[in-house]
Amino acid sequence: NAGVMQNPRHLVRRRGQEARLRCSPMKGHSHVYWYRQLPEEGLKFMVYLQKENIIDESGMPKERFSAEFPKEGPSILRIQQVVRGDSAAYFCASSPRTGDYGYTFGSGTRLTVV
Amino acid sequence: SQQGEEDPQALSIQEGENATMNCSYKTSINNLQWYRQNSGRGLVHLILIRSNEREKHSGRLRVTLDTSKKSSSLLITASRAADTASYFCATEAGGTSYGKLTFGQGTILTVHP
Repeated sequence: NAGVMQNPRHLVRRRGQEARLRCSPMKGHSHVYWYRQLPEEGLKFMVYLQKENIIDESGMPKERFSAEFPKEGPSILRIQQVVRGDSAAYFCASSPRTGDYGYTFGSGTRLTVV
Repeated sequence: SQQGEEDPQALSIQEGENATMNCSYKTSINNLQWYRQNSGRGLVHLILIRSNEREKHSGRLRVTLDTSKKSSSLLITASRAADTASYFCATEAGGTSYGKLTFGQGTILTVHP
């Protein structure tokens, strides 16, 4: 079991480009969560997805950000028209269910916008 | 704003000493979790304590929870150089908020060999 896999590990984008971050949950996990860690800040919740459904997107910026978790394939966090303020580490976590259960995090994607 | 506030922000100790980190939060919770993050890496889940529990142990880790004071502490006994990392507390409200962890700012622990 390879754990939660995120790719790419590092991503450099110019301002105005699109960034696509991928997350493959642990085998058997159908719940996926995205968090963002800005420099000098803690992690902040962005979105919670199950297969083909967005459960809670209360932490997602209203514009330019979207997330999906299709029936087949990894979850994708998409950032359109990136700006310098989007530079951060983006972490994905997964779990087999909700409840009093610790979450398994991936190693993150470090996005740098130049 | 972050619900969890941790102190100290940084802690430097010698190998073999105990390390204590504290976390305070503001709203009601269903559970509180502690995570470790090594530099440039993802988070590793250490321990979860439910709101109806007061203390929990896991190996060299001891976690306490005081819901009346809305605070928790993480004790690492007999620390090792490999314990050097950032430690975060995270609260989970439960119900429709499961999966939505609220993290503190973290404590940077340095253990000197």
